[in-house]
Amino acid sequence: EAGVTQSPRYAVLQEGQAVSFWCDPISGHDTLYWYQQPRDQGPQLLVYFRDEAVIDNSQLPSDRFSAVRPKGTNSTLKIQSAKQGDTATYLCASSLGWGGDEQYFGPGTRLTVL
Amino acid sequence: TQTVSQSDAHVTVFEGDSVELRCNYSYGGSIYLSWYIQHHGRGLQFLLKYYSGNPVVQGVNGFEAEFSKSDSSFHLRKASVHWSDSAVYFCAASMGNTGANTGKLTFGHGTILRVHP
Repeated sequence: EAGVTQSPRYAVLQEGQAVSFWCDPISGHDTLYWYQQPRDQGPQLLVYFRDEAVIDNSQLPSDRFSAVRPKGTNSTLKIQSAKQGDTATYLCASSLGWGGDEQYFGPGTRLTVL
Repeated sequence: TQTVSQSDAHVTVFEGDSVELRCNYSYGGSIYLSWYIQHHGRGLQFLLKYYSGNPVVQGVNGFEAEFSKSDSSFHLRKASVHWSDSAVYFCAASMGNTGANTGKLTFGHGTILRVHP
């Protein structure tokens, strides 16, 4: 069984540039999560989907971040105008059901904003 | 809102030693607790979880954790560590409500475990 895949693995930007992260969850997993993990900290949930619907995006900085999952499978997280404070690893995870079960994480995209 | 705290940022042991990684949580309702491991440069991997029943839960690779409501704790233990157990360990919590779980995990800051050969 293929795991959660993410691309790119690394990104380096200047402030003000845009970037998109892509996630392919485990086949059949209906719930997909995006986390931000600053260096030396635990992951912090940004947004999560059940199928194509956003369930909670309360922690997503809506002025610059957006996330979609149009067909309930792959997902894209976009930062419109990156800031140095966005420097972090962005993790995608998926699960079957609401997540009382385990979540399966991808390897992450490490973003550096100069 | 639940919070998760891991009081030890770093733990260093030798191969064959036992280890306990501490996790405390604060939340008044029913709660799911879990532990994840993150090897350098990789995503998190699930180790074990607790919601109800036997407070001692077994996970992969010889790990176990014990839930204590009175102490608000969910400490992770292993009787004999191997050098390959060196990684960052995260405790996580999510709210449970009569069997329905919201899926929103709140993570602690992590404990870096170093196992010397």
